[in-house]
Amino acid sequence: NAGVTQTPKFRILKIGQSMTLQCTQDMNHNYMYWYRQDPGMGLKLIYYSVGAGITDKGEVPNGYNVSRSTTEDFPLRLELAAPSQTSVYFCASSADRVGYRTQYFGPGTRLLVL
Amino acid sequence: GQQLNQSPQSMFIQEGEDVSMNCTSSSIFNTWLWYKQDPGEGPVLLIALYKAGELTSNGRLTAQFGITRKDSFLNISASIPSDVGIYFCAGPQNNAGNMLTFGGGTRLMVKP
Repeated sequence: NAGVTQTPKFRILKIGQSMTLQCTQDMNHNYMYWYRQDPGMGLKLIYYSVGAGITDKGEVPNGYNVSRSTTEDFPLRLELAAPSQTSVYFCASSADRVGYRTQYFGPGTRLLVL
Repeated sequence: GQQLNQSPQSMFIQEGEDVSMNCTSSSIFNTWLWYKQDPGEGPVLLIALYKAGELTSNGRLTAQFGITRKDSFLNISASIPSDVGIYFCAGPQNNAGNMLTFGGGTRLMVKP
């Protein structure tokens, strides 16, 4: 079972470059999420989606964009990368609202912006 | 927004010892979740609590939903080396329950 997969695993970006972090889940979950985890800190929600075509901002959306054209995929776009975006990015999915269903996390994408 | 404060921030214990950690909030939560993150991996749900006063176990792990609904506790009995990792508490951030707030984590290190 693949679960939640993320690519790439690691990336180095120069300031001002753009990139897309890919996330795919094969569990037919409606809910998908993007978090970032700064060193020594907890996870902060960037964006989430409750179904294909529906996205909403989380706590820290600035500098990011998302789209949800299919149930399976939820890519995260970084425009004009900045050093403050150096972090580990986790994608997650759940069948229902997080309080009532297990949220499954991907292995993470480690991003370094120099 | 709501904040969750975890303590201690880190613990270094001997294998076989029991561990206690807690999570507090200035706001009421209706659900408490405890996750573990192994090094280099994403978090994995350990225990979910849905009622004030609830005590739930998962193997050597026991978690409690505080009566005030503003805190939760996680205990690990007879720790083993594979318990190493970061333990996070989390709770739904809004009434819709579709956004989670995470605590800062407790980093556990176990000496064999």
